[in-house]
Amino acid sequence: GENVEQHPSTLSVQEGDSAVIKCTYSDSASNYFPWYKQELGKRPQLIIDIRSNVGEKKDQRIAVTLNKTAKHFSLHITETQPEDSAVYFCAASIGGGSYIPTFGRGTSLIVHP
Amino acid sequence: GAVVSQHPSWVICKSGTSVKIECRSLDFQATTMFWYRQFPKQSLMLMATSNEGSKATYEQGVEKDKFLINHASLTLSTLTVTSAHPEDSSFYICSARNDRGMFGELFFGEGSRLTVL
Repeated sequence: GENVEQHPSTLSVQEGDSAVIKCTYSDSASNYFPWYKQELGKRPQLIIDIRSNVGEKKDQRIAVTLNKTAKHFSLHITETQPEDSAVYFCAASIGGGSYIPTFGRGTSLIVHP
Repeated sequence: GAVVSQHPSWVICKSGTSVKIECRSLDFQATTMFWYRQFPKQSLMLMATSNEGSKATYEQGVEKDKFLINHASLTLSTLTVTSAHPEDSSFYICSARNDRGMFGELFFGEGSRLTVL
């Protein structure tokens, strides 16, 4: 089955800096890669996703890049703010109507004011 | 976005008793629901996938007789931890999706913290 590795497990940055979280996947058939943010004590929520037919997607301060050849994808957060502090999970799946995502272990992002 | 409600948020029970956790989609039809277990500072470990009206598909290593999952309607799935023991103490979280379309978004419940004494 699919195996997703996520790094780093903890990331500490100063407010205004950029943060990058990286994930690799094992199944070359995976074609859908969502990212979830889980604030302390709250439920995970989808923040951005990318499909394998594109290499990059941006939404304001967040962007995701995908390298299908190397089987890795990354989340980029620019101009970080304290409210970005949370655990971020990447996931990979073979998409379609009944996809089942495999999650990475999560990255705890701490943004210091 | 759509709302998934999970209940109860917290439950404490004695060893040997059974506990039922409910997961409801409030404003959409959840053709597929997932149940996860999350350990502190760890990822979401998929326990099982349930589709409305059919038996749940359990992940390897998850005891189906221990963790009973029922998805009786398009808006409700339940997880029953039978004969709970302290090692079953964990954070259980559900997610739901409408599969009528491609890449349907997953919506998560608030999670349920189970403590078995």
